[in-house]
Amino acid sequence: DIVMTQSPDSLAVSLGERATINCKSSQSVLYSSNNKNYLAWYQQKPGQPPKLLIYWASTRESGVPDRFSGSGSGTDFTLTISSLQAEDVAVYYCQQYYSTPRGFTFGPGTKVDIK
Amino acid sequence: EVQLVESGGGLVQPGRSLRLSCAASGFTFDDYAMHWVRQAPGKGLEWVSGISWNSGSIGYADSVKGRFTISRDNAKNSLYLQMNSLRAEDTALYYCAKGGYSYGAHFDYWGQGTLVTVSS
Repeated sequence: DIVMTQSPDSLAVSLGERATINCKSSQSVLYSSNNKNYLAWYQQKPGQPPKLLIYWASTRESGVPDRFSGSGSGTDFTLTISSLQAEDVAVYYCQQYYSTPRGFTFGPGTKVDIK
Repeated sequence: EVQLVESGGGLVQPGRSLRLSCAASGFTFDDYAMHWVRQAPGKGLEWVSGISWNSGSIGYADSVKGRFTISRDNAKNSLYLQMNSLRAEDTALYYCAKGGYSYGAHFDYWGQGTLVTVSS
């Protein structure tokens, strides 16, 4: 099974500064036949369900502000918030959907706060 | 507007059963895979089970395999999770999530969840 890890566990960033979250998979989630990375990022605010931010590692979901971006390939991925806003305080999860039918594993989450 | 509304949660004793339902609307239900994801209190997300549009692909997390059964009724736009032999560690908020056309895809919409508490 593919294991997802995230770093850091939490971070505090000043308003307007950059926040960077890393995600690593225990094996590649790049599907060679279509050159797509089967990796998504979700944002979860307190008391709310998760919200899809990024899929295929770097495609921003419709309506997601462009300060959110995803990058990486293979086993190493990054979610970047270019200019942190107050409403971005949340827990962020990466997820791989490569090793189906049973492998939709999530990372442990990274908590983002305002410094 | 896509809506996913879970129901069926509650307090149940260890070893007993519970059936969760998810009513879907706002999209062509039988075109998409669907999933259950749970979140124990104060913890992260755990994928529980998924089912393709035609029930041809079904998967379970190791933690629930052999105890939980996922199913769908495309005529009723509904997803189900039959949970048997419940354990204290199954206590969580259970979310229904919409997948993609193909089984291996991200989850673009989530319900608000239904809480399952397993306790004597």
